[in-house]
Amino acid sequence: EIVLTQSPGTLSLSPGERATLSCRASHSVSTSYFAWYQQKPGQAPRLLIFGASSRATGIPDRFTGSGSGTDFTLTISRLEPEDFAVYYCHHGRSPLYTFGQGTKLEIK
Amino acid sequence: QVQLVESGGGVVQPGGSLRLACAASGFTFSSHGMHWVRQAPGKGLEWVTFIWSDGSGKDYADSVKGRFTVSRDNSRNTQYLQMNSLRADDTAVYYCAKDLFGYGAFDIWGQGTMVTVSS
Repeated sequence: EIVLTQSPGTLSLSPGERATLSCRASHSVSTSYFAWYQQKPGQAPRLLIFGASSRATGIPDRFTGSGSGTDFTLTISRLEPEDFAVYYCHHGRSPLYTFGQGTKLEIK
Repeated sequence: QVQLVESGGGVVQPGGSLRLACAASGFTFSSHGMHWVRQAPGKGLEWVTFIWSDGSGKDYADSVKGRFTVSRDNSRNTQYLQMNSLRADDTAVYYCAKDLFGYGAFDIWGQGTMVTVSS
């Protein structure tokens, strides 16, 4: 079983700043099956990054995914007001699909 | 446009049953695997089930194995989740999500349907 641990639990930043969110896997995983999601209050999650570094359709280029092995990062280069939300990392390969516990990105 | 719409949520007593449905539109439903993901109030995301595009393969989280059954009707562009022996810890918003083939990611999500298990 793969366990994904996200850090920090909460990140307080201001619009215009750079955000770095981390996700560590309990053992090495394939980048092909690694993704990031954004969820705003009262809304369904939205796919941001798949294959560790590919942006999903319509996702702005200020969102960048990177990493391999056990350590993965989501970077938001310049925070916009609409970026403040909860972010989840995810590893999905049949028959097991796992989410991290989430990082809340809040306005400082 | 591409859309998933869940239905069937509600309040049910512990030990009871409920069937959720997810209606798809805007894409070739029969070509894609489908998932159910749930989120307990104030908590994170938990994957529940996956069904292959033709329905021949199914995966379940350990927490629901033996109690929940996923199925699909490709002629109706709909997947289902039959939930039996419901427990209080099954209380959650249940989301239907489309599988992004080859990546194990969920690229399209429904708006969710709330299931509350309470006496």
